[in-house]
Amino acid sequence: RKEVEQDPGPFNVPEGATVAFNCTYSNSASQSFFWYRQDCRKEPKLLMSVYSSGNEDGRFTAQLNRASQYISLLIRDSKLSDSATYLCVVKGRGSTLGRLYFGRGTQLTVWP
Amino acid sequence: GAGVSQTPSNKVTEKGKYVELRCDPISGHTALYWYRQSLGQGPEFLIYFQGTGAADDSGLPNDRFFAVRPEGSVSTLKIQRTERGDSAVYLCASSIRGRENTEAFFGQGTRLTVV
Repeated sequence: RKEVEQDPGPFNVPEGATVAFNCTYSNSASQSFFWYRQDCRKEPKLLMSVYSSGNEDGRFTAQLNRASQYISLLIRDSKLSDSATYLCVVKGRGSTLGRLYFGRGTQLTVWP
Repeated sequence: GAGVSQTPSNKVTEKGKYVELRCDPISGHTALYWYRQSLGQGPEFLIYFQGTGAADDSGLPNDRFFAVRPEGSVSTLKIQRTERGDSAVYLCASSIRGRENTEAFFGQGTRLTVV
C-alpha cells in the first residue's frame, strides 16, 4: 500500500467554482502534512502546511482528520491561475524523518 | 534570490551509458534531497543528505544509483549502465535543516531520457 493515496482527477471546473481534493495516508503516527502545487513541467512548490485544527490561506482551506487519516484541500472562487496539479504530502517520522511522501497528484483545470 | 539549481535541464543518453546529474542547493541549506518523478506520478524519494553524509539512502532503487555531496553543498547523482526505465525527471530539493518542520525548496529538475 502506498504511503499517500490521492484521486488523480482530472477536475475541470469553471471560474468561480469551489473544488475539493482529498487524500489518505497510511502511517497513523505521521505528524506533518502539506499541500504542494506543481505547474506543468515545473517543480513542486509548497502551497500550505496542514494543521490539526485546520487552516486557511485566502481562498484555500486545508483540513486534517487524524481518526480517518484523511487530508483535504478546498479552493473557493477558483481562478484560471489555479490550474495545476495539487500534491498531497506527508513527512516521514523516525528513521524516515528526512523524507516527504507524495501522492500522485490531482490535476485541476479551471476554464473561463 | 538564487534557488536550487540543477544541471543539465535535459539529458538524453543511450542505454548502458553513465550519467551524472548535478544539484546546487540554496546557500546555507544543510539538508539536500533527491527525488525521481515519472509521468503522472508524484515525486518518489531517492536519498537524503544532512551535510556531507547520506542520512537515508534507502530510496535508491539499486546499486546502479549513487549520490555524493563531498563538501556539504553541491551534490551529484550518478547512474551507471542506464536503462530505459530510468527515464524520468530527477528533482533535487534543499531545506535549512532536515529534521524539523522546514520547507523543502525544489529545483526545476533534470529530465533524463534513456534511448
